[in-house]
Amino acid sequence: DAKTTQPNSMESNEEEPVHLPCNHSTISGTDYIHWYRQLPSQGPEYVIHGLTSNVNNRMASLAIAEDRKSSTLILHRATLRDAAVYYCILRDGTSGSRLTFGEGTQLTVNP
Amino acid sequence: ETGVTQSPTHLIKTRGQQVTLRCSSQSGHNTVSWYQQALGQGPQFIFQYYREEENGRGNFPPRFSGLQFPNYSSELNVNALELDDSALYLCASSSGGVAGNYNEQFFGPGTRLTVL
Repeated sequence: DAKTTQPNSMESNEEEPVHLPCNHSTISGTDYIHWYRQLPSQGPEYVIHGLTSNVNNRMASLAIAEDRKSSTLILHRATLRDAAVYYCILRDGTSGSRLTFGEGTQLTVNP
Repeated sequence: ETGVTQSPTHLIKTRGQQVTLRCSSQSGHNTVSWYQQALGQGPQFIFQYYREEENGRGNFPPRFSGLQFPNYSSELNVNALELDDSALYLCASSSGGVAGNYNEQFFGPGTRLTVL
């Protein structure tokens, strides 16, 4: 699986936007970019995914660089409930349901 | 629609024992995966089951085995427990088969296993 690189930790203030970066310089043409997050004492939960174009859903936006070597998860207005570990994961069509998690980014949201 | 549930919540075993962890998939999901998450690390893929057959395995020894039942519930069995098996065990379910599966994975809350 292609590797992703994320900062270990980031901090934000409540109600401010948060931009979580992810580098994936070895991404292949068939790799989708997925984001999951894990709140304390819970299993991971799906946030968003995309291939080439930017994506929006009710939780977040995903901005994908034109060369696809990096992407950014955007939380438009952080809340205390968004404090979690955020994982950027590449998935191709051959790995089935398998997710390869890295260390992720621990997001702290200050009141 | 009920989510993914796992039992038990917590479990304490001693080295050398065997353990069975259980998972009920979300309604309508035919694929289940199991993950091991050590403290402070991301989850590591153990294996996945699709229509009762193992279909994909991570870097885990054969003493980690599983079953998927016709109702798509699943078990993870670990034999000859070692201290390093202490971890949070997560199961995740999804629909749509295996090949080209980009479907969202729904995770349970996990079972915390402690091996003494």
